[in-house]
Amino acid sequence: NAGVMQNPRHLVRRRGQEARLRCSPVKGHSHVYWYRQLPEEGLKFMVYLQKENIIDESGMPKERFSAEFPKEGPSILRIQQVVRGDSAAYFCASSLNKGAGQPQHFGDGTRLSIL
Amino acid sequence: DAKTTQPPSMDCAEGRAANLPCNHSTISGNEYVYWYRQIHSQGPQYIIHGLKNNETNEMASLIITEDRKSSTLILPHATLRDTAVYYCIVSGNQFYFGTGTSLTVIP
Repeated sequence: NAGVMQNPRHLVRRRGQEARLRCSPVKGHSHVYWYRQLPEEGLKFMVYLQKENIIDESGMPKERFSAEFPKEGPSILRIQQVVRGDSAAYFCASSLNKGAGQPQHFGDGTRLSIL
Repeated sequence: DAKTTQPPSMDCAEGRAANLPCNHSTISGNEYVYWYRQIHSQGPQYIIHGLKNNETNEMASLIITEDRKSSTLILPHATLRDTAVYYCIVSGNQFYFGTGTSLTVIP
């Protein structure tokens, strides 16, 4: 019974490159959330997706960041033209349903380092 | 979503109960109280959640006051592996993580 799987666990990119982070939710979960955590800080919500739809992207930076959750395959968080400030841990979570009373289950994150 | 207030750090002796408080005075009627913990560099781990009634599972107990303005997470017999940052989250639709309580279990 696999939990949320994220890959890669560690990703190193040079400034200006693209970073693609993958998240496979718990089997049967159709709601996916992405969070970013800077050192010594709590997690910050970025985006909430349901299969093929972005439901809430209020925490996403306006430029360079995008997310998708296709009908088949994992959810992808894409960061174009990365900058040093994008260095952080990115966590994905999934839930069975949406709404109050639904716990989110988290993966172990992708640590992104920008050289 | 309601804001929560937690003490930044706490210590607990190994084998004793750890009681972690959380204030959420602006909680609204349909918002649940969730507790997660994060052990160094891992993803947040779900512990327990509740709406009005006290809840217990294999990991912990959650005590919610009658007015729902505060709650306490209880780890009945703390072990060294319970050393972590504990987050109290009040949520209707979105999860907002604060800075949590850093719990250190002392041998």
